[in-house]
Amino acid sequence: NAGVTQTPKFQVLKTGQSMTLQCAQDMNHEYMSWYRQDPGMGLRLIHYSVGAGITDQGEVPNGYNVSRSTTEDFPLRLLSAAPSQTSVYFCASSSGLAGYEQYFGPGTRLTVT
Amino acid sequence: GENVEQHPSTLSVQEGDSAVIKCTYSDSASNYFPWYKQELGKRPQLIIDIRSNVGEKKDQRIAVTLNKTAKHFSLHITETQPEDSAVYFCAASGGGNKLTFGTGTQLKVEL
Repeated sequence: NAGVTQTPKFQVLKTGQSMTLQCAQDMNHEYMSWYRQDPGMGLRLIHYSVGAGITDQGEVPNGYNVSRSTTEDFPLRLLSAAPSQTSVYFCASSSGLAGYEQYFGPGTRLTVT
Repeated sequence: GENVEQHPSTLSVQEGDSAVIKCTYSDSASNYFPWYKQELGKRPQLIIDIRSNVGEKKDQRIAVTLNKTAKHFSLHITETQPEDSAVYFCAASGGGNKLTFGTGTQLKVEL
């Protein structure tokens, strides 16, 4: 099993550009989440999904959109990139939202200039 | 929502010594408390977790204790080794079954 995969690994955007961060898992997990990691702030939940067709907001959802058309994929879209979105983004999947181990992807380092 | 505070932010110990990292949480409904280890440039990985019906859990050199009354839990690493050097995150499940993470502790084990 590949586990949780993310693409790209690195990305540089200009302010105002849009892009999609890809996330896929092959463990047949129902639950998937997106986190951002900033120095000194830990991991903060952006959006999460409890199954195909169902998504909800986390702690810091502004400026991001998600969709879940299949169990395997959970892309994160930045609509109009801002320097404040410079961060490392981690996708995670689990058998449940809480009370279950979160399996993280390798991360995407995004820089917005 | 849930709020998790983690201390210290940095911790330096000599090889062979013990390390303790402490976290407090705010939501009394939280019932799951995992700890993740993140090596430099890598993804976070679960190292141990504890549920609210258990006061202590141990796995080789790693142990976690939970005090639900005081709303705090701690990670204990004994006989530290250089490979224990990493950032450690605590987390707690809050309302809506979402995990809230602490801000992390940079542990450095010196030879």
